[in-house]
Amino acid sequence: AQKVTQAQTEISVVEKEDVTLDCVYETRDTTYYLFWYKQPPSGELVFLIRRNSFDEQNEISGRYSWNFQKSTSSFNFTITASQVVDSAVYFCALKRAGANSKLTFGKGITLSVRP
Amino acid sequence: GAGVSQSPSNKVTEKGKDVELRCDPISGHTALYWYRQSLGQGLEFLIYFQGNSAPDKSGLPSDRFSAERTGGSVSTLTIQRTQQEDSAVYLCASSTSTGVLIQYFGAGTRLSVL
Repeated sequence: AQKVTQAQTEISVVEKEDVTLDCVYETRDTTYYLFWYKQPPSGELVFLIRRNSFDEQNEISGRYSWNFQKSTSSFNFTITASQVVDSAVYFCALKRAGANSKLTFGKGITLSVRP
Repeated sequence: GAGVSQSPSNKVTEKGKDVELRCDPISGHTALYWYRQSLGQGLEFLIYFQGNSAPDKSGLPSDRFSAERTGGSVSTLTIQRTQQEDSAVYLCASSTSTGVLIQYFGAGTRLSVL
């Protein structure tokens, strides 16, 4: 069975603080994909990143960075120098390899960035 | 279109009525997914269409829920005899079937059953 755990439910930070959103996953597959999506107040899920299970390189995109560690089954997301526009719900998701597979989502983390 | 389009954006209905929710995927995307987002259950998979293959209906919560995809493009999710527990946001996503396989989501339909 596939499972994604986002233990943090709500995080509140002051603008310019760094914040890390945790994601732990469970799967028996050797090939799989991990995703992060952002859901702003408008409601639409916005794709942020995809990582496949064979690529453990960390990735940085502007103020965003992701740390994938297979040894601990974690795929954590860090926002550096947070901004008010980062306020949203962030979902981590897991997908089996192959086209015919759904996304299994965590419960999401509500991030509030205060000015 | 440029993105996944869903209609209506909001739907209020009375318990026991049938509703139809529409999804128009990104042009060229052959895979289409329906998910439901509710406070208690988070984001749950409902059904998946891929080309002309039989859909994966494993996530449908009851036989009151059905979906079809006509012409390999637009999809309609139908909920018959709606119940209050059906109140949720229904999200549609589409993706290609090869390559990167990223699912792109629409803005959803917020269904309220009174």
